[in-house]
Amino acid sequence: DAKTTQPNSMESNEEEPVHLPCNHSTISGTDYIHWYRQLPSQGPEYVIHGLTSNVNNRMASLAIAEDRKSSTLILHRATLRDAAVYYCIPLRGSSGSARQLTFGSGTQLTVLP
Amino acid sequence: GAVVSQHPSWVICKSGTSVKIECRSLDFQATTMFWYRQFPKQSLMLMATSNEGSKATYEQGVEKDKFLINHASLTLSTLTVTSAHPEDSSFYICSARAASGRAQNIQYFGAGTRLSVL
Repeated sequence: DAKTTQPNSMESNEEEPVHLPCNHSTISGTDYIHWYRQLPSQGPEYVIHGLTSNVNNRMASLAIAEDRKSSTLILHRATLRDAAVYYCIPLRGSSGSARQLTFGSGTQLTVLP
Repeated sequence: GAVVSQHPSWVICKSGTSVKIECRSLDFQATTMFWYRQFPKQSLMLMATSNEGSKATYEQGVEKDKFLINHASLTLSTLTVTSAHPEDSSFYICSARAASGRAQNIQYFGAGTRLSVL
């Protein structure tokens, strides 16, 4: 599995954008980059995933470097409810694959009012 | 998004008893379900992977006779912690992956079960 490096913690002010970085220099060509987040005392929640192109959904945007060795999760306007641990996880994307999500230590995001 | 229901959300039991945790995918069929365990201030650790109708695959160090997993249908998996001891106290989280469709590679998670063994 590809190794990932994320900052242990980050802080953001409410209603400001947040850029959460992730390095995955050993990612393989078929690995999608998945982002999940875990709010306190809850199970993880899917945020977004992508392969090469930048991706947007209602929760966030994902910017993927051209060499795919890093990516950045962008929360456009942080709210207090976005305070969570954010996990960046490379995952093989072939259909029918039995590969599972392997969680690292993630980034603890604190949102300040 | 897809919904995974996990029950109970918390349970307290005496040492030596068994506890069953249920995980249901409510609006999709799940070919594969996963069980994770999370200790305080640590990340999630995968315990086992189960495919509907077949035996679960356990991660190294996880006792299959202690953590019994049954995945009898495409919408239900259960984890039974047999003869629970205080060291089994943890946050158990199930996850399900859709059998088909564009969300096939997304794992949906239950809310977790906090187990306390006295």
